[in-house]
Amino acid sequence: SQQGEEDPQALSIQEGENATMNCSYKTSINNLQWYRQNSGRGLVHLILIRSNEREKHSGRLRVTLDTSKKSSSLLITASRAADTASYFCATGTLGNQFYFGTGTSLTVIP
Amino acid sequence: DTGVSQDPRHKITKRGQNVTFRCDPISEHNRLYWYRQTLGQGPEFLTYFQNEAQLEKSRLLSDRFSAERPKGSFSTLEIQRTEQGDSAMYLCASRRLSMRGALTDTQYFGPGTRLTVL
Repeated sequence: SQQGEEDPQALSIQEGENATMNCSYKTSINNLQWYRQNSGRGLVHLILIRSNEREKHSGRLRVTLDTSKKSSSLLITASRAADTASYFCATGTLGNQFYFGTGTSLTVIP
Repeated sequence: DTGVSQDPRHKITKRGQNVTFRCDPISEHNRLYWYRQTLGQGPEFLTYFQNEAQLEKSRLLSDRFSAERPKGSFSTLEIQRTEQGDSAMYLCASRRLSMRGALTDTQYFGPGTRLTVL
């Protein structure tokens, strides 16, 4: 079974608003990554946060990690129509696999 | 474009036929992963290679599936006697060793091969 679960499953916002999506996972992790996937395309790596980090920023992206709650959130500020995509969290362990969640489908309305 | 390419991008086949997909990773990447993604789901791990060695296979990888990476560069994924349940997007990703010899955390994904089994 997949490691992570994203919440909400779908999110629709107006351009310019902020979008927040959450990821919960089940076991201990080494790092957590967020990916974006446009419809029918491959995944694009957005940002990585390590288990000893609590917050990380990259451009309009802000990621938080709470290992005690086994959860992470991705905030996209000042959303654009081009941000419309599915967003997945992936947990990395000390092993070699990455476990992906079920994804949040984000629609940004121009 | 991440530098990882996959071929073909789309494949339509009839049930019972064999299909083969190819992945060309970023050239200096030692690790190569195969994932399967069905509609509305995240990618599920199938198998991975360290250079030419296949080091791990998921239980999802039935005996109809075989993967190779003969020279430690490109990889192929073959599905024999395809079934309708094999219809999915097959994704390849690669990952490299850092200068200090450790694996970097980021995987770079190809665009995927979408398989439709009729």
